[in-house]
Amino acid sequence: QVQLQESGPGLVKPSETLSLTCTVSGGSISNYYWNWIRQSPGKGLEWIGYIYYSGSTKYNPSLKSRVTISVDMSKNQISLKLDSVTAADTAVYYCAKSVVRGVIITSVYGMDVWGQGTSVTVSS
Amino acid sequence: SYELTQPPSVSVSPGQTARITCSGDGLPNQDAYWYQQRPGQAPVLVMYKATERPSGIPERFSGSTSGPIVTLIISGVQAEDEADYYCQSTDRSGSGVFGGGTKLTVL
Repeated sequence: QVQLQESGPGLVKPSETLSLTCTVSGGSISNYYWNWIRQSPGKGLEWIGYIYYSGSTKYNPSLKSRVTISVDMSKNQISLKLDSVTAADTAVYYCAKSVVRGVIITSVYGMDVWGQGTSVTVSS
Repeated sequence: SYELTQPPSVSVSPGQTARITCSGDGLPNQDAYWYQQRPGQAPVLVMYKATERPSGIPERFSGSTSGPIVTLIISGVQAEDEADYYCQSTDRSGSGVFGGGTKLTVL
């Protein structure tokens, strides 16, 4: 059973870069798409982007200029970097596995395994 | 921008049927998914491709589609079903999009 665990600093200063890691256990990163989603306090879910194990990515246009998602197969980890953060980036950040595997996609499929989430506050 | 529209809240009594709708211009051409999120917890996938139930999800959860509207149906609602529910699909640029969420209250 695949499990996901997000980790990273809980506090980031404005204008700096938010860096988070999602560690995959109980299975391989191979052949799946891996997503990042965030949820601002008291708000709904926002899709940030996904990465295929091969390295191809798709980002939310509203965040595309500031986001980088990468994969480290040797460590079974997916990383998220968000540049030039502001208070509006304060949120719980989740990583999640897509239900689809082994095919090239043009849609964002459902996500059947989620990490517990990690809370990030942007404040000086 | 592309949006998925959900009612902010739905209330039902235990044992009744709850129906939560999600409308969007791209539906049903783009697949829709439903998530349940209890307070302080991560979302859980409860329906995929609008009408398919993942393993482990109770049979009282089902889905339907009618044109640009997908509906999550919870039959025989139980107290444990009280949660926020989100639909998710894909917008015209191929990016993921979530509905605003619906708070289900079990009276």
